[in-house]
Amino acid sequence: TQLLEQSPQFLSIQEGENLTVYCNSSSVFSSLQWYRQEPGEGPVLLVTVVTGGEVKKLKRLTFQFGDARKDSSLHITAAQPGDTGLYLCAGAEETSGSRLTFGEGTQLTVNP
Amino acid sequence: DAGVIQSPRHEVTEMGQEVTLRCKPISGHNSLFWYRQTMMRGLELLIYFNNNVPIDDSGMPEDRFSAKMPNASFSTLKIQPSEPRDSAVYFCASSSHLRNQPQHFGDGTRLSIL
Repeated sequence: TQLLEQSPQFLSIQEGENLTVYCNSSSVFSSLQWYRQEPGEGPVLLVTVVTGGEVKKLKRLTFQFGDARKDSSLHITAAQPGDTGLYLCAGAEETSGSRLTFGEGTQLTVNP
Repeated sequence: DAGVIQSPRHEVTEMGQEVTLRCKPISGHNSLFWYRQTMMRGLELLIYFNNNVPIDDSGMPEDRFSAKMPNASFSTLKIQPSEPRDSAVYFCASSSHLRNQPQHFGDGTRLSIL
């Protein structure tokens, strides 16, 4: 099973600040997915990146897939309290169909 | 469309009791996943099914855990006998069997074993 290392594990910032979450592996993934989880709920998909070097934007969130498809980053601009939650990256393995390998998660708290 | 439905939402029981968690996947999805989430270990894959067939159960902690998928619209995860260290939030997720497809999660079952 391929492993995904996510950092930082915890992040507490003030409203309006920018932040970046990283997801790294020594293995190649066919795609990387980012999920957000709120208390009492299951993770919900934010975005899927498939092509090496791909950049996707979702309002103030920017997702990038590394050129070698081994790493990904999530950048949030001007964070808001509504961005608070657990962010999880998940890699789809080349040979295992729909199975995903999840990172440990980044717990983000945005203080007003 | 209805999402993944899990029951019960909360379960509190004494150690040694049998616990059964239930999941109804999204209609048309043919992959189903059971996960366990704790603060210490994060989200762990326990077992997953393709077309009702178990494909990989290497994440099942021990023989006390078992999972079944008798048909495309229903799956159970059973713990017998339960132990305090089994306390966690258990999630069921479903997806298309195709690569790179997202997984859709239920709201989880919060299990507390006293």
